[in-house]
Amino acid sequence: QVQLQESGPGLVKPSETLSLTCIVSGDSISNYYWSWIRQFPVEGLEWIGFIHYTGTTNYNPSLKSRVTISIDTSTNQFSLKLTSVTAADTAVYYCARMKGVLDVWGQGTTVTVSS
Amino acid sequence: DIQMTQSPSTLSASVGDRVTITCRASQNINYWLAWYQQKPGKAPKLLIYEASNLESGVPSRFSGSGSGTEFTLTISSLRPDDCATYYCLRYNTYPWTFGQGTRVEIK
Repeated sequence: QVQLQESGPGLVKPSETLSLTCIVSGDSISNYYWSWIRQFPVEGLEWIGFIHYTGTTNYNPSLKSRVTISIDTSTNQFSLKLTSVTAADTAVYYCARMKGVLDVWGQGTTVTVSS
Repeated sequence: DIQMTQSPSTLSASVGDRVTITCRASQNINYWLAWYQQKPGKAPKLLIYEASNLESGVPSRFSGSGSGTEFTLTISSLRPDDCATYYCLRYNTYPWTFGQGTRVEIK
């Protein structure tokens, strides 16, 4: 049974870089595409982007200039970096497997942007 | 981007009622639509994919229909455990986009 677990700082200062990691267990990260999604405090969900083990990525244009998703097949994990954060980036961040659709999600990690 | 309009935003119904939630796309998305259920403090859970395919392990009282621009999620007989927020997701082209959500409450 595949499981995903997000990790990273829960508090980030404005203008700094948000960095999160998703550890995948129970499945090889090379088998699928993998996504990051975030959910704002008032329930809206936003797809951030995806990565494949080949390094192929696709990002939401709303974030494209600030986001980087990377992958490490040796440790079966992938990561998210979001630069120049503001309070508007405060959200719960989820990682998920893309098996056609987003079929398995991590439990989510809350990131607050505040000084 | 293709916009998704979900309605209603809140729905109150009695146990045993038939409940329907609608998602409309601003352009044709064929059948590339999924439905998720989210309970407080939890991640969204996949219920339906490709508009009408039931995800493994999901109760058969959940069903999806539609294609093109109009889609529905139906709960045939509402149970207390179905209290949650439901989201649609279109995934025909990038960036994928979610509906605004429908909160389902028990009367």
